[in-house]
Amino acid sequence: QVQLVESGGTVVQPGRSLRLSCVASGFSFNSYGIHWVRQAPGKGLEWVAIIWHDGSHEYYIDSVKGRFSLLRDNSKNTVHLQMNSLRDEDTAMYYCARDQMSGTTFMDVWGQGTTVTVAS
Amino acid sequence: QSALIQPASVSGAPGQSITISCTGTYNDLGTYNLVSWFQHQPGKAPKLLIYEVSKRPSGVSSRFSGSKSHRTASLTISDLQAEDEADYYCCSYAFDYTPSYVFGTGTLVTVV
Repeated sequence: QVQLVESGGTVVQPGRSLRLSCVASGFSFNSYGIHWVRQAPGKGLEWVAIIWHDGSHEYYIDSVKGRFSLLRDNSKNTVHLQMNSLRDEDTAMYYCARDQMSGTTFMDVWGQGTTVTVAS
Repeated sequence: QSALIQPASVSGAPGQSITISCTGTYNDLGTYNLVSWFQHQPGKAPKLLIYEVSKRPSGVSSRFSGSKSHRTASLTISDLQAEDEADYYCCSYAFDYTPSYVFGTGTLVTVV
C-alpha cells in the first residue's frame, strides 16, 4: 500500500547534527515532491521544507535555512533531512508527506512521524 | 511567514454543523486557491480532508466541505459525530520571493 515511513529521531544535544529519513513504498516516488512538517510539544503543525520530485529545487522555512538540508535518492525511494546545529526549539515530531505538485500542490499521504528531542 | 489564524476551539452537539475559519494574507490565501485542510488526532498521522479549497479526496466523508472568500478559508463539518473530535489545520501555499507553505494555528473540535 501507499506508505511513508520516517526514522532517525532520537535525543541529541544542542549544536549536534542528526539525519532523518523518509522511505516511500507503494507509489511512483520519483513523481512526487516530499515535504517535512513538524509539531513541537503542545504546538501546531509547522511546515519545514520541501524537495521537488527530481531533487532540482528545495525550499525551507526561515528558521532552519542554513542549518537543515534535504537529500533525495530516487533509486532508494528515500529523502533525508540533514539537521545541523540543532537548537532546543527544533524539538518536535517530524513528519514527511508527499505532494504530487502537478499543476497543484497538497500533502495527501503522511508518515507516522519520528521524534527529535534536543536537550543537554 | 506567519501562521494562518484559526479559532483555538470550536464545539458542537452531535448532528449539528460547525465551521472553522482560517484567515491569511495577500501572499497566501489572498492570491492562491491552494488551501488544504487536515484532521489530526493524537498519535496518528495528519489526514487530508480538503484540497484546492473545496475538493475532497476519495474516501473522505461528504460531511466535510470547504470554501474560501478573499483571505479567509472555511471548513464546515456537518452532522457532527463523536469521531470528529480532533485538531484541524488549514494549510496554504504561499509565495514571497520563494515558495513556502504555511499552516494555520489549529482548531480543537469538541463534540459536546
